[in-house]
Amino acid sequence: NAGVTQTPKFQVLKTGQSMTLQCAQDMNHNSMYWYRQDPGMGLRLIYYSASEGTTDKGEVPNGYNVSRLNKREFSLRLESAAPSQTSVYFCASSQLAGVNYNEQFFGPGTRLTVL
Amino acid sequence: QKEVEQDPGPLSVPEGAIVSLNCTYSNSAFQYFMWYRQYSRKGPELLMYTYSSGNKEDGRFTAQVDKSSKYISLFIRDSQPSDSATYLCAMSWRGGKLIFGQGTELSVKP
Repeated sequence: NAGVTQTPKFQVLKTGQSMTLQCAQDMNHNSMYWYRQDPGMGLRLIYYSASEGTTDKGEVPNGYNVSRLNKREFSLRLESAAPSQTSVYFCASSQLAGVNYNEQFFGPGTRLTVL
Repeated sequence: QKEVEQDPGPLSVPEGAIVSLNCTYSNSAFQYFMWYRQYSRKGPELLMYTYSSGNKEDGRFTAQVDKSSKYISLFIRDSQPSDSATYLCAMSWRGGKLIFGQGTELSVKP
């Protein structure tokens, strides 16, 4: 039982390059999330998927796209990377958004640097 | 003004000290209050959650919510070097998205 896994762990991009961050969970959770974490800013929600087949914008969606490939996998794509997207990216999952409190389980993170 | 405010620290205390970590919030609709712990270069993990006002204790940790003041606290008794981490408060309304504080970096010195 691996929980939430993310690939890659580290990535360096040049401005304008594109890449996809992968996330998978093996807990049979319905909801999945993408956050970015910057110093002094806490965790900010980029996009989330309340259930398979649905995606919604979070607090900071600009410059990102997502795909909920199936119940297990949720990917985040940067089409044209910018230095402002240098951050640590976390994927999370939870049993079901919309019911009581929402305990989220986090992956280990992807450290992205855009030069 | 952010919906959730948390002093980022860093906070440094000697081993055995009582630690108090705090968050304030502005949205009175929040019902669920959580504390996540994040070790260096790891993802956050849920430490405690409380519903509505009051106290909740789990070993050396006590979570406290004062909805009238829109203020939540996490107390750590007999702090240990292994408690050194960043502590993030998070809150939500029923079934809603989590809103996180900025996180407080804690260092417990032996």
